[in-house]
Amino acid sequence: DAGVTQTPRHEVAEKGQTIILKCEPVSGHNDLFWYRQTKIQGLELLSYFRSKSLMEDGGAFKDRFKAEMLNSSFSTLKIQPTEPKDSAVYLCASSQQGNTGQLYFGEGSKLTVL
Amino acid sequence: GQQVQQSPASLVLQEGENAELQCNFSSTATRLQWFYQRPGGSLVSLLSNPSGTKHTGRLTSTTVTKERRGSLHISSSQITDSGTYLCAIGGTGSKLSFGKGAKLTVSP
Repeated sequence: DAGVTQTPRHEVAEKGQTIILKCEPVSGHNDLFWYRQTKIQGLELLSYFRSKSLMEDGGAFKDRFKAEMLNSSFSTLKIQPTEPKDSAVYLCASSQQGNTGQLYFGEGSKLTVL
Repeated sequence: GQQVQQSPASLVLQEGENAELQCNFSSTATRLQWFYQRPGGSLVSLLSNPSGTKHTGRLTSTTVTKERRGSLHISSSQITDSGTYLCAIGGTGSKLSFGKGAKLTVSP
């Protein structure tokens, strides 16, 4: 079975640009998460979907961050407009529904904003 | 929201020594999970242990839910164990809150 697939692996953007990161969860998983990882803050939850419905949208990130799940096998994270402080690794993870479901992570998308 | 504190933040060992990583959390939880991350790599689940003690290979996870703490013991550390170990806490549902990680360096 394929794991969580994220594209692109690396992205360099100019300040003010719009970038879109993509994620394909593990087939059959109902829950999908977007996290941001930095050395200072660690992992911060950006968005959480269950069966394509948005369950949680990280309060601090509502302004310029928008995650969507168009179907059960594809999600996007749009950052508009980008700022240098958005430089981080963006991780997508999926799980089967329920608190016993293992969380599987993608390789991440490393974003650098100049 | 759930706050997760890990200690130590970093640890340097010689090959063969044991490591003890701590995790403390602020609110009631039904799940504690340990992840491993290599530099520049993704997170891989090591153990999920809601309470009590669980072993897998050289890893032992102990969780005391009432005291809101857990630990990960790595015995006979190897160079390939080097990386970051993250503690994650969950309640109902599959959402997890993560600590900032403990960076382990094992030298020859």
